[in-house]
Amino acid sequence: AQTVTQSQPEMSVQEAETVTLSCTYDTSENNYYLFWYKQPPSRQMILVIRQEAYKQQNATENRFSVNFQKAAKSFSLKISDSQLGDTAMYFCAFMKFYDFGNEKLTFGTGTRLTIIP
Amino acid sequence: DSGVTQTPKHLITATGQRVTLRCSPRSGDLSVYWYQQSLDQGLQFLIQYYNGEERAKGNILERFSAQQFPDLHSELNLSSLELGDSALYFCASSVELLRSLSTGELFFGEGSRLTVL
Repeated sequence: AQTVTQSQPEMSVQEAETVTLSCTYDTSENNYYLFWYKQPPSRQMILVIRQEAYKQQNATENRFSVNFQKAAKSFSLKISDSQLGDTAMYFCAFMKFYDFGNEKLTFGTGTRLTIIP
Repeated sequence: DSGVTQTPKHLITATGQRVTLRCSPRSGDLSVYWYQQSLDQGLQFLIQYYNGEERAKGNILERFSAQQFPDLHSELNLSSLELGDSALYFCASSVELLRSLSTGELFFGEGSRLTVL
């Protein structure tokens, strides 16, 4: 079974600063997906960024980027030039690489991020 | 808007009662997933259906059941409700055209907030 660990329950940072959220996972799989989802106060789950484990290049989406260390089973999220709208819970999640019959996401417990004006 | 519709958005009921939560997946998505999020917790996978058939099961209580209908909408039935069942219940859907086309992304609805008094 896979496990996802987020060791930072809460973080806060000043607006416009950079913040990094940590995530580690445990799996015996070689191919898989990793995700960061954002959950703002509205409770909607929003996909922030996705990384395929077979890709060595770190994924980037505008101000969001990841540091994917496969050997260390680490998948951190960096938010640059943080904005007030980034205030949310952030969940790290794992999915086996299209395992027909088992495409569920395994989530970490989340990090509550607050951007301070 | 993810394209996944969940009803009702809010539901308040008493212990011992039974409720049904409904989910309409994105047009064309064959898979439906149900997740439970208790207060300030991560999302726990309950169950997955694919084209009408149960595909994967997580930590779903025996008091809970689900089904997916021919039109692909899904219902989660919660019975003999207890205080601890109060949570946000998410439905998600995904595209599964062919293995090679899977992006691994799930699209979440806005959730149904259940309060058991």
